[in-house]
Amino acid sequence: QQQVKQSPQSLIVQKGGIPIINCAYENTAFDYFPWYQQFPGKGPALLIAIRPDVSEKKEGRFTISFNKSAKQFSLHIMDSQPGDSATYFCAASSTGGYSTLTFGKGTMLLVSP
Amino acid sequence: NAGVTQTPKFRVLKTGQSMTLLCAQDMNHEYMYWYRQDPGMGLRLIHYSVGEGTTAKGEVPDGYNVSRLKKQNFLLGLESAAPSQTSVYFCASSPHVAPYEQYFGPGTRLTVT
Repeated sequence: QQQVKQSPQSLIVQKGGIPIINCAYENTAFDYFPWYQQFPGKGPALLIAIRPDVSEKKEGRFTISFNKSAKQFSLHIMDSQPGDSATYFCAASSTGGYSTLTFGKGTMLLVSP
Repeated sequence: NAGVTQTPKFRVLKTGQSMTLLCAQDMNHEYMYWYRQDPGMGLRLIHYSVGEGTTAKGEVPDGYNVSRLKKQNFLLGLESAAPSQTSVYFCASSPHVAPYEQYFGPGTRLTVT
């Protein structure tokens, strides 16, 4: 059972475009939603994370939007650059008592020059 | 700080051979994890450890064993490698306080022929 569904699998945008990656979860106990960025040949690295007490969080050009009632969250990349080309993973966990991260299957983003 | 390191970076095994992957972290993290990454499958948790001397099964534990004899090291063993274990393996560590941000190593690319 996949608890975090991520879409699309791949995405191509032009430089300056705003790619949007969506994730949906099922487990209502989840209360921590990070996004990881992975460049080819590297390990994933934390990009930005949100908790359900806020509906939006911005860090630089990266924004997470969160809809608790719909159990969905999304990543927006403003003014995308070729250097943003990477695979992006959403994830979720519950922090009340230890639990592991559940990852989405990833979105491969290509930003063309 | 080196962060999370993995040894080896690449390995080719024949079916039935055994090997051990080593993960080391210098951040004094309590928690450590082993994931495998396959195209279109995202990151799947194999085993994890919440402290020295403890291990637990993740989503895809079959065919793997782990040990955490020292806090800074987490070993992943394949006793009898199979072609289905061809993958990229990532180790990660996290502190023992929420939200348990995970720090990933650079990965080991394993091919089983």
